[in-house]
Amino acid sequence: AQSVTQLGSHVSVSEGALVLLRCNYSSSVPPYLFWYVQYPNQGLQLLLKYTSAATLVKGINGFEAEFKKSETSFHLTKPSAHMSDAAEYFCAVTTTDSWGKLQFGAGTQVVVTP
Amino acid sequence: NAGVTQTPKFQVLKTGQSMTLQCAQDMNHNSMYWYRQDPGMGLRLIYYSASEGTTDKGEVPNGYNVSRLNKREFSLRLESAAPSQTSVYFCASTPLLGNQETQYFGPGTRLLVL
Repeated sequence: AQSVTQLGSHVSVSEGALVLLRCNYSSSVPPYLFWYVQYPNQGLQLLLKYTSAATLVKGINGFEAEFKKSETSFHLTKPSAHMSDAAEYFCAVTTTDSWGKLQFGAGTQVVVTP
Repeated sequence: NAGVTQTPKFQVLKTGQSMTLQCAQDMNHNSMYWYRQDPGMGLRLIYYSASEGTTDKGEVPNGYNVSRLNKREFSLRLESAAPSQTSVYFCASTPLLGNQETQYFGPGTRLLVL
């Protein structure tokens, strides 16, 4: 079975500062990894995904994530935070054994301060 | 293109009452999903439908039933609501059931069971 752990349920960043959200996965087979974002009172939308091609994945709104097999990590970064980045972020994993059924992390709430 | 729509947006039930949450997608997707979101627990899969005519249990199916009415619609039924089913429910869809598929989410239904 696969799982993900998101370190930090709440992260506060200053506008213009680096955003770093941590995600570690556990899987006995090669994983497929996703980051989704949820704005207040909305559904989730895809930021980016790793599907075994390039290990550095670029997504929407200036976010990117790097798949590191040796560290079992898929951390999400953005060089410069914007007020509009305030949202909850979810890391998710699936594998060939799970046929596309996602296992989500608990989520990280990002607050951006002026 | 409305994407994934859910009704109702908010519902209050008394313990023991029943209700059906409706979900529809207009993207001609084959696969549909129902999740519940609880604080600190991320999203958990309740049921999914790989294609029209099929449904399968997810991680937390107890207390729920589903119907894949046609390719567009996938409903979730609570036969006898319990306070533990207070949650936010999300419907999602993908073109196919597969590891690289992006899930498209509806706006959610907030359910309060008293």
